[in-house]
Amino acid sequence: RKEVEQDPGPFNVPEGATVAFNCTYSNSASQSFFWYRQDCRKEPKLLMSVYSSGNEDGRFTAQLNRASQYISLLIRDSKLSDSATYLCVVNNYGQNFVFGPGTRLSVLP
Amino acid sequence: DAGVIQSPRHEVTEMGQEVTLRCKPISGHDYLFWYRQTMMRGLELLIYFNNNVPIDDSGMPEDRFSAKMPNASFSTLKIQPSEPRDSAVYFCASSPGWGRATYNEQFFGPGTRLTVL
Repeated sequence: RKEVEQDPGPFNVPEGATVAFNCTYSNSASQSFFWYRQDCRKEPKLLMSVYSSGNEDGRFTAQLNRASQYISLLIRDSKLSDSATYLCVVNNYGQNFVFGPGTRLSVLP
Repeated sequence: DAGVIQSPRHEVTEMGQEVTLRCKPISGHDYLFWYRQTMMRGLELLIYFNNNVPIDDSGMPEDRFSAKMPNASFSTLKIQPSEPRDSAVYFCASSPGWGRATYNEQFFGPGTRLTVL
């Protein structure tokens, strides 16, 4: 079993739709969690950290469920510019970060 | 700040040749990471440094790969000899380090796209 798993997609949604991505991780001792965004042929960039209580940044909401070892990302009112691959990232210890395989999103006009 | 700088951006080489990838992290960042990304395996951590010292190299595939960080502003990843299965995008990233608000955020360079024929 991979340490971090994601549905690879692609998710094809119309503009304005709400879309949710899920991520599961296998190490119960994982300490911190993130969502990164990667545009085609570009480098990954931090989208948001994920806090235990859940957190929101504009149209983006992240949730963490430690008991189920599950992280989610919700995007409301999708824009064309949201089209990208979304990477779930887990930090187990020190600066050792494990990236999930990513979920590809295409927002269609 | 110019961000993380990597060179070359593209490299095409023949099997058996030595390849050297270069990285300049963001000034003041304590951590430097080397990653490899392929379609099959995704983004994999190869090695990371803290204050120029290698901390975790468990992701380095084999002895053909080596990484150095001679000073705070420069790191290299070397493959010798290169093989076709080394073809991938190699990213360098840096992060500020403990004690700062964004210590856990990694800033990635644009990557080096390596093709080994």
